Amino acid sequence: EVQLVESGGGLVQPGRSLKLSCVASGFTFSNYGMNWIRQAPGKGLEWVAYISSGSSYIYYAETVKGRFTISRDNAKNTLYLQMTSLRSEDTALYYCARHRYNYFDYWGQGVMVTVSS
Amino acid sequence: ETVMTQSPTSMSTSIGERVTLNCKASQSVGINVDWYQQTPGQSPKLLIYGASNRHTGVPDRFTGSGFGRDFTLTISNMEAEDLAVYYCLQYGSIPWTFGGGTKLELK
Repeated sequence: EVQLVESGGGLVQPGRSLKLSCVASGFTFSNYGMNWIRQAPGKGLEWVAYISSGSSYIYYAETVKGRFTISRDNAKNTLYLQMTSLRSEDTALYYCARHRYNYFDYWGQGVMVTVSS
Repeated sequence: ETVMTQSPTSMSTSIGERVTLNCKASQSVGINVDWYQQTPGQSPKLLIYGASNRHTGVPDRFTGSGFGRDFTLTISNMEAEDLAVYYCLQYGSIPWTFGGGTKLELK
């Protein structure tokens, strides 16, 4: 069974940093691209970042480019999102999602990030 | 950036009804559109990929269509478990962008 479990969220002050993790199981992690997608409270979905299976290709939404860094450790079956210079508008539930062809076929349950003083 | 506009933003439906949801892209995206369903408190689930391909396990009452800028998700026979928010996503160009969603509610 495919499982994606996010962690690392919490309450953080504006301007500070936070690192999210997503541990994958039930499939060969190193064969798949991965994404981070977020959802602000009561709002819609926003794609944040993508990383290819071997980390050769990385893409970001303009809203996070230069502040967030997506990475992965295939030996640990883990996806990361390093978030710096956090803003109140980064407050959201952050999902990791597996990338297959051109869709997101499995999603985690999400981890909440709250940016507030 | 390609903007995806969904309409309506919400819709009141009845069980057994035929429902049509719309998604319009600000520029052509070919067939590069997926549809996702999000029920309350749950993570989104893939319904349709490549504009018209039903994902594994998705009931055949869900049908996607469209090309270029205009896309449609049709639920042929609404069931209670279909009450959810539906999002379209375009992956024709980076950044990939979601529509704002359509919420289906009971009349």
